[in-house]
Amino acid sequence: AQSVTQLGSHVSVSEGALVLLRCNYSSSVPPYLFWYVQYPNQGLQLLLKYTTGATLVKGINGFEAEFKKSETSFHLTKPSAHMSDAAEYFCAVSDNNKLIFGAGTRLAVHP
Amino acid sequence: GAVVSQHPSRVICKSGTSVKIECRSLDFQATTMFWYRQFPKKSLMLMATSNEGSKATYEQGVEKDKFLINHASLTLSTLTVTSAHPEDSSFYICSADPGRRNTEAFFGQGTRLTVV
Repeated sequence: AQSVTQLGSHVSVSEGALVLLRCNYSSSVPPYLFWYVQYPNQGLQLLLKYTTGATLVKGINGFEAEFKKSETSFHLTKPSAHMSDAAEYFCAVSDNNKLIFGAGTRLAVHP
Repeated sequence: GAVVSQHPSRVICKSGTSVKIECRSLDFQATTMFWYRQFPKKSLMLMATSNEGSKATYEQGVEKDKFLINHASLTLSTLTVTSAHPEDSSFYICSADPGRRNTEAFFGQGTRLTVV
């Protein structure tokens, strides 16, 4: 069965600093991988996804993630954090169109 | 992008009453919709998969008589929390699957249910 592990429930960065949110997955088949962002009391917004093809995926708001099969990882990065990036981030793997979510990482951005 | 509307966004109800939450795909048809529950500061847990015209498939540990799901059309699925109790208070989120290859499901805005 597929599963997702997000290392670090809380990450804090300074504005302008690099953002790195870690995600490792377990899947018996080639995975479809996703990163979502959630603002308080709101639904989920897709940041980016990997299905097939290029392993470096660019998403919205300057985020990108790289699928590394050898490391079973799909870490999310952004070169320069902005205050508006403060939110909860979820990594997910698709299991027959069902999404299996990681526990989430809360990103705090301080001035 | 595709839009999924979830209604209501917030609801407060008394213990013992039932609450219905609607999930609509506004600009696409969704043969499959998913219902998730999110506990405070926790991840999303899949409750059930809703298929148009057939019975929902519930995840292990989810009471199907407690959480009634009806997928009456290709654009509407409803979740009814029956005989609600305070422990049912949570954030409920739906997603709708367009059914196209390499296309992700789209999420509603979520419903904050508070049972008092």
